[in-house]
Amino acid sequence: GAVVSQHPSWVICKSGTSVKIECRSLDFQATTMFWYRQFPKQSLMLMATSNEGSKATYEQGVEKDKFLINHASLTLSTLTVTSAHPEDSSFYICSGNTGELFFGEGSRLTVL
Amino acid sequence: GNSVTQMEGPVTLSEEAFLTINCTYTATGYPSLFWYVQYPGEGLQLLLKATKADDKGSNKGFEATYRKETTSFHLEKGSVQVSDSAVYFCALWTGSARQLTFGSGTQLTVLP
Repeated sequence: GAVVSQHPSWVICKSGTSVKIECRSLDFQATTMFWYRQFPKQSLMLMATSNEGSKATYEQGVEKDKFLINHASLTLSTLTVTSAHPEDSSFYICSGNTGELFFGEGSRLTVL
Repeated sequence: GNSVTQMEGPVTLSEEAFLTINCTYTATGYPSLFWYVQYPGEGLQLLLKATKADDKGSNKGFEATYRKETTSFHLEKGSVQVSDSAVYFCALWTGSARQLTFGSGTQLTVLP
């Protein structure tokens, strides 16, 4: 199947700093990528749909100014958590769409 | 709207036991149904899928049959192994929603 790679896998940061997570489609072009957030022992919640060359579409309740999404090329989407706080600590997963969804390995963010 | 209801966990089984994880859904239109597996510290991997009623998805000894009459997609495996220990997510996709809707996940632990 297609390969989606996320980086970093783990990141620890201080409260108030910004963190960027990259999602790359390694062997396909993704005009659309999805960003999910997973709380401990809970399901994945869709945060936003990233669209290449245009603005992301955010789900209700997700702060677009806090979770900045950029999809500048067909193989790269980035999620920037701005002014991170401890409540932003979570597991973030991206996926690319080839008609079937392929998921990245996930990025665990811990905000101290 | 779309929703997926999964059997609550955690589920603990002995090696070689029979596994069933229940999944029922509510959807508008004709969804495709999926089971994803998440091993510790990893992202989601597609385990199996079915795209229309009465289809049976199968992979690695796991099976699930798309039952439209009962709106169910239960996951089964005849003989589980320790390596099957993971979190299992049932999910659905409809073209109208253009996104995956996940169940809450079921933690499976298989003891030797």
